[in-house]
Formats: sequence, structure tokens, C-alpha cells
Amino acid sequence: AQSVTQLGSHVSVSEGALVLLRCNYSSSVPPYLFWYVQYPNQGLQLLLKYTSAATLVKGINGFEAEFKKSETSFHLTKPSAHMSDAAEYFCAVTPSGGYQKVTFGTGTKLQVIP
Amino acid sequence: DGGITQSPKYLFRKEGQNVTLSCEQNLNHDAMYWYRQDPGQGLRLIYYSQIVNDFQKGDIAEGYSVSREKKESFPLTVTSAQKNPTAFYLCASSEGGRNTEAFFGQGTRLTVV
Repeated sequence: AQSVTQLGSHVSVSEGALVLLRCNYSSSVPPYLFWYVQYPNQGLQLLLKYTSAATLVKGINGFEAEFKKSETSFHLTKPSAHMSDAAEYFCAVTPSGGYQKVTFGTGTKLQVIP
Repeated sequence: DGGITQSPKYLFRKEGQNVTLSCEQNLNHDAMYWYRQDPGQGLRLIYYSQIVNDFQKGDIAEGYSVSREKKESFPLTVTSAQKNPTAFYLCASSEGGRNTEAFFGQGTRLTVV
């Protein structure tokens, strides 16, 4: 079985401040991990994914995430928030066997304050 | 451009009626998925299909039906048996197998009136 927990359903940051969105996972086998972003009334877009090649993963729009096995975490960060980053972010986990068994977290809405 | 197209974007249904949501992809992906999204609950898997003419129930399949007669198409029917159908529905596709991610459509917002 696998699961993800996203701490904080809503996060607010000031424009230019550090963005930190938290994701902890549970998996009985080595996982693949994903971060997706969703803008209002739209589908999800992949930000980045971890597939065991490197623990620090860089994605689009300046986001990155670090896989920490000892902490079972895959937190998403961005050094400086931009107004356009306001969206909902989803962490997802799947066993290395394939996407079809992916489990999504409940999402974190990011608000960026000017 | 390759991608996934969901239609319509907004859909209104009267109680007791069936309604079908369309999902088409031209990415040549083997696997397709339907999710339901409700506020604060993330995405929940309704049905998925890994190959033409085959599909499996997800976590919340009751009150829904699907077909996969063509590789590029995976329509979802919301039946009158679904007691709370008002939601945002997302279709996705992936290559299948290991090390793949899903590509999502823009969603259909279904409202029961």
C-alpha cells in the first residue's frame, strides 16, 4: 500500500519569498514521486518527477524537490515566489511498477501575496 | 499539437439522467484514466484502461461506466445510480509501464440541476 500526506491545505507566501510545500509518502517498495500543478478550472500539469536517478530533482518554472528516504519526504521548493505561482499543487506516489497505481495527495493551495 | 481533449467543459444534468463525458487523446498512449475531483479530497480514480477493450474499476467506480473501443477514446458515462455526481472530472493518459507520468485534459465540470 502507498499514500501521500500533504501538510497544509492552504499556504500563503509573500511575493519573492521562499515557497515550501510539504509532502510525506508511505510506500512498501521504492517509489516514484511526482508533483503536479493545477490552475483554476484546468487539468494537472507535471512539475517534476523522481524516479531514483537523482535525489534532487529540478522541474519547470524554477521549482525543485528533494527526495529524502530517511524522512520519507519529497518537499517542493522555489527560492522566490511569483504571482503566477498561485495554484493548487498535488504530490503523487506510485510504486516503481507503473503509473496506473498512482495515489494523489489532497492538494495544497498556494496563495502569493503581493 | 498532441494532447488530451475533454468535452464539454461545462455540463448540466437533470437528476435521473445519464450523461456521457468525452475524452480523446492523440498521444498514442496505451493507458487512459478517469478521475473525480472534489474540494479538499484530491483526485480519486474512477476507472482506468491499460489497453483497448479492457478496463478496470478504480476506487469509486459505483454509478459510472466506461468503454474503450478505440485507443484514442475513453468516454465516461455518469449514470443515474451515481448519487452525488456534481464534481470536476479529469481524464488522463500515459504511455503505461514504468517511469511514466500522466498527461491530463482540461476537465469537465458536471453540475446536477
